[in-house]
Amino acid sequence: IAGITQAPTSQILAAGRRMTLRCTQDMRHNAMYWYRQDLGLGLRLIHYSNTAGTTGKGEVPDGYSVSRANTDDFPLTLASAVPSQTSVYFCASSATSGSVNEQFFGPGTRLTVL
Amino acid sequence: GQNIDQPTEMTATEGAIVQINCTYQTSGFNGLFWYQQHAGEAPTFLSYNVLDGLEEKGRFSSFLSRSKGYSYLLLKELQMKDSASYLCAPSDSNYQLIWGAGTKLIIKP
Repeated sequence: IAGITQAPTSQILAAGRRMTLRCTQDMRHNAMYWYRQDLGLGLRLIHYSNTAGTTGKGEVPDGYSVSRANTDDFPLTLASAVPSQTSVYFCASSATSGSVNEQFFGPGTRLTVL
Repeated sequence: GQNIDQPTEMTATEGAIVQINCTYQTSGFNGLFWYQQHAGEAPTFLSYNVLDGLEEKGRFSSFLSRSKGYSYLLLKELQMKDSASYLCAPSDSNYQLIWGAGTKLIIKP
């Protein structure tokens, strides 16, 4: 693995179903982030984690949950998907969170909820 | 509140110069990032400014005026591969990045 990987690449999901988007990084970065990107809007932060074992809510956390059991993995779960969660989801990481650091992005997951 | 303004779309000619402006209002400020995003791909880092003035990096330069809440990205000698969206992202007092909607740059031959 080099950098950040996300899975799946794309997914079509029925409303009401549970879905977990996976994110793994091999850069030993402390901070990780989940964003959604919708046409005409900037990247919006869903949840973040400053270090393994801690998580925080971003701008649009409702309907999503995350966990950070170790440094490398940061899965995002939709407990009961709704059509408004149709979006492109990007996972990102940075070396630390308490100072200015470049964020590195995964390739994204394109999710369609019908 | 926090707000980022940048033009939705710009068109320029191959070989020319284009300037993409960004104005911002944030709760605190810890510098400003510019990212490039090709269609269907992830954003990638272009530049970071924390002090006023111009930072030059090859064909790309970025300028910051903290007192005016203003930044611009200058692209010289435009190439077709520069067709992409350019995202302005200031860092707030918590070091979170606040993302603009991006400027879609179309390069014509």
